[in-house]
This record gives sequence, structure tokens and C-alpha cells, in this order.
Amino acid sequence: GAVVSQHPSWVICKSGTSVKIECRSLDFQATTMFWYRQFPKQSLMLMATSNEGSKATYEQGVEKDKFLINHASLTLSTLTVTSAHPEDSSFYICSARVKFGRSLVYEQYFGPGTRLTVT
Amino acid sequence: AQSVTQLGSHVSVSEGALVLLRCNYSSSVPPYLFWYVQYPNQGLQLLLKYTSAATLVKGINGFEAEFKKSETSFHLTKPSAHMSDAAEYFCAVRITGANSKLTFGKGITLSVRP
Repeated sequence: GAVVSQHPSWVICKSGTSVKIECRSLDFQATTMFWYRQFPKQSLMLMATSNEGSKATYEQGVEKDKFLINHASLTLSTLTVTSAHPEDSSFYICSARVKFGRSLVYEQYFGPGTRLTVT
Repeated sequence: AQSVTQLGSHVSVSEGALVLLRCNYSSSVPPYLFWYVQYPNQGLQLLLKYTSAATLVKGINGFEAEFKKSETSFHLTKPSAHMSDAAEYFCAVRITGANSKLTFGKGITLSVRP
């Protein structure tokens, strides 16, 4: 089956520093990648949608200058949390979507998540 | 716009008992519906999905769900709960189209008592 990986799986950083999270589709090319944020005991909140080679589309209320998304290729997207603060501590999950052939069926696969703790 | 409602935040069942997790959706067009499971500190795993084919959908780990248009529901069931089923369960909806996005419910925590 399709596999999406994230690296690192957990990271601790100091307030004011930046941290980069990688998301890779290992055995397929993703037409679109999504970044979600999840607070404890809550649902996934979509942060942004990115297509390879174009700028990410951010959801309302998400600071694009703070959460930089780069979709460098059809298999790699990165999320950089800039000037991190303790309130940015969260579980970040990426997801990759692929369309099969000429059909209109899209499948979306999720990464294992990255736990970010800002001290 | 589409949405899903998962009533309640926590369901507790005994091992071997029926599992029923409720999900109601709202969509102006025929939706695709999904159930995902999340174990602690892990990503989401697809349990099953409805994409306008059979209304009774069978998924992994013995779970199934039935799409009922008249009730706008897509409840998840499993005849006999296992301790390993304890996790967070999310219902999600998406409409067809290249730019459609998954909309998640708030999730339900399933506990299984020995």
C-alpha cells in the first residue's frame, strides 16, 4: 500500500528557533499534499494545501509567514515552523493525495505525524 | 459546504460487545465518507470508505459501516470489540472533485473494558 513518511517523528526546540518537518510519499507521486495540526484530544485542523511547484494555499487563520510550506517535488513537502513559540507545540500530520489514472477517484494517505514541543 | 457530526466524545464497551460509533453528515452533493482510526501518537489509518458503490461497506479489523442517505448517517459498527480496538475514531466527508478536501468530525474515543 501507499506509504507516507514524516521526519522527524518528534522534535524539541527552543523558543525562537525554526524547525523543519519533512513529508515524503515513498512509493507514489502525490498530486497534492496537505498539512494538518492536531491538539490533544481534538480533531485534525487543516492548515494548508500544496501542489507541487506552486504556492501553498493556507486556511483562514493560519499564518503563512510562520508556517512555511515548500512542495519541492511530487514526493516531498516540507513544513517549517519559524520563530517557534510554546503555543506552536502540537502534533503535525501530513497527508498526500494521488489520483489513479484517468478516473476521478482520489486517495489520500496520512503520515505518522510529528510531535513538536517548543520549550 | 460539507460537515460531519460525531455525537459524544467517548464510548466505552466491554470486550466482546457490539461497537457502534455514530456519524451524521451534511453535504449539498453526494459525498464520499470515511472512517479513520488513530492510535496514540500515530497518524490516521483508513478503516473504510463509501464512494457511492455499495451502501454497506466492509473495512479492516472487522469494522463495517452503512451509508443511509435518508438518515444522512454513516455509523461504524463491529460485532465484537477487542481490546486492541481502543483508539480515537474519526469520521470524515469529502465531495467529488479535484479541489475537494476532507472535513473531519471531532472524533470519538473508544475504550474497551476487559
